[in-house]
Amino acid sequence: RKEVEQDPGPFNVPEGATVAFNCTYSNSASQSFFWYRQDCRKEPKLLMSVYSSGNEDGRFTAQLNRASQYISLLIRDSKLSDSATYLCVVNMRANNLFFGTGTRLTVIP
Amino acid sequence: NAGVTQTPKFRVLKTGQSMTLLCAQDMNHEYMYWYRQDPGMGLRLIHYSVGEGTTAKGEVPDGYNVSRLKKQNFLLGLESAAPSQTSVYFCASSYLGGYNNQPQHFGDGTRLSIL
Repeated sequence: RKEVEQDPGPFNVPEGATVAFNCTYSNSASQSFFWYRQDCRKEPKLLMSVYSSGNEDGRFTAQLNRASQYISLLIRDSKLSDSATYLCVVNMRANNLFFGTGTRLTVIP
Repeated sequence: NAGVTQTPKFRVLKTGQSMTLLCAQDMNHEYMYWYRQDPGMGLRLIHYSVGEGTTAKGEVPDGYNVSRLKKQNFLLGLESAAPSQTSVYFCASSYLGGYNNQPQHFGDGTRLSIL
């Protein structure tokens, strides 16, 4: 099992749609979870941390399920500007973060 | 606010040449990292540092060396470049390590081609 696994997509959704991504991780001892976004030919940028109780930031909602070892990202009311690759990030061994290969989202007008 | 700055942005090398990539951060972060990103592979950790004067191997360290002589700088060296090292290299920094729920902040990358 890979340390962090994501569906690579692509997800093509119309503007205004709701879309959800899931990510599974292998280490049950992981403590830190993040979602990053990466635009084409740009650096990864932190979108949001994921907390145990779930958290929301505007149109974005992140959930953590420790029992099943997955995290999710929900995007409501998709905008054209949401088109990007979304990276699931989990700490695996102490200080190091492992990055998933990303899920590509394209929002269509 | 500069954040994490990488130089150079682009470089083309011939096989066997050497070069150093420089990463500088102005956020007083303790931890610094070097990653490479290849198509379909995601980000892979090359080396990292948990403080000035310290370095450690990551997932793919072979063919690379690093140094952290000053807290704000983290250098990545290629002693004898190989075509397999063609990649996009990202530097990142964080205040504390990943276990402490500390996100990493990235530079805008160096595109390196080895001919």
